[in-house]
Amino acid sequence: AQSVTQLGSHVSVSEGALVLLRCNYSSSVPPYLFWYVQYPNQGLQLLLKYTTGATLVKGINGFEAEFKKSETSFHLTKPSAHMSDAAEYFCAVRGASGSARQLTFGSGTQLTVLP
Amino acid sequence: DADVTQTPRNRITKTGKRIMLECSQTKGHDRMYWYRQDPGLGLQLIYYSFDVKDINKGEISDGYSVSRQAQAKFSLSLESAIPNQTALYFCATQGTANTEAFFGQGTRLTVV
Repeated sequence: AQSVTQLGSHVSVSEGALVLLRCNYSSSVPPYLFWYVQYPNQGLQLLLKYTTGATLVKGINGFEAEFKKSETSFHLTKPSAHMSDAAEYFCAVRGASGSARQLTFGSGTQLTVLP
Repeated sequence: DADVTQTPRNRITKTGKRIMLECSQTKGHDRMYWYRQDPGLGLQLIYYSFDVKDINKGEISDGYSVSRQAQAKFSLSLESAIPNQTALYFCATQGTANTEAFFGQGTRLTVV
């Protein structure tokens, strides 16, 4: 079975500060990794994904994430937070085959951006 | 028009009633998922389907059933609704393992 752990259900940062949202995963097969964002009263939309190749991936709105196999991590960062970044963020993992082929989400991190 | 459409968007139902949530997609994707979202628990997988004949239970399938009527349609049923099934329900589709999933806008279900 695969799983995703997001450390910190709530994160607060000041506008202009670094955003770091943590995600660790477990998977018995090479994973595909995703970060999604959910704004209030909306569905989820993709921020970025890692499949193969370069381990540092860039997404929309200035976010990026780095896949570190040795640490089984896929942390999300943004150099400078903006008020519009306030939302809930979900990390997700999907294996390429077998029992890990469903898309599994973490419990989410609510990001608050303080003026 | 939305690529993934969920109906209804909001529903209040009574304990013991049967209710069906519907999802249709125009993405042409084989993979479809049903999740429920509860505060602090993230998205929990209820059922998933990789084609019309391939339906699988997720981590919280008890009390739910699904039907994949066609590639484009995946319905979730609560045979006898109970209050702890009050939640926000999302349908999602995915083309292949390494591509993004597309989500519907959600169905807010309240069981009273």
